[in-house]
Amino acid sequence: EDQVTQSPEALRLQEGESSSLNCSYTVSGLRGLFWYRQDPGKGPEFLFTLYSAGEEKEKERLKATLTKKESFLHITAPKPEDSATYLCVLQGGSEKLVFGKGTKLTVNP
Amino acid sequence: KAGVTQTPRYLIKTRGQQVTLSCSPISGHRSVSWYQQTPGQGLQFLFEYFSETQRNKGNFPGRFSGRQFSNSRSEMNVSTLELGDSALYLCASSLTEAAYGYTFGSGTRLTVV
Repeated sequence: EDQVTQSPEALRLQEGESSSLNCSYTVSGLRGLFWYRQDPGKGPEFLFTLYSAGEEKEKERLKATLTKKESFLHITAPKPEDSATYLCVLQGGSEKLVFGKGTKLTVNP
Repeated sequence: KAGVTQTPRYLIKTRGQQVTLSCSPISGHRSVSWYQQTPGQGLQFLFEYFSETQRNKGNFPGRFSGRQFSNSRSEMNVSTLELGDSALYLCASSLTEAAYGYTFGSGTRLTVV
């Protein structure tokens, strides 16, 4: 069974304090690993898709990386507007999306 | 361009009733999938439709059903509502059968009392 585990559950940072969010996974036939951002009361917003180990994607202060067992979302010099819940989502051979429980990030000014 | 539209945004129902939720995908998107989000379980996959055919189904009881119309609009129905069905129901659409870059709607908040 495909599984996704995100850590930590919650993370508090000061503005400008860089950190990383972790997503550990087990999958049969990886088709894609996705990162989404979700703000309270809204649907998830697509950030990145990673397809194979070694791949990296960047967008503004965010950088996603992928290994055969983990994905990291690195946040460089975060701002308060980066506060949100970040979701790691896995798609394996069954094509069903499997969601992690998310990491709630709070960035204090 | 218009995003994924879900209606209604909020709904309050009584136990035992049934409810129908609607989702209009982004124009041109043929794949629509539904998810349930609760604080305890997080986001869970309900089912996916592509060109009016159900392609995948999650581990939910038969009380949860859906359909997709020829214009790609989709509806989800829950019969005999239970208190535990209270959740945010999200719909997402995509161009192709695969889940690359799904776009989510803002969801329907269902409260069962």
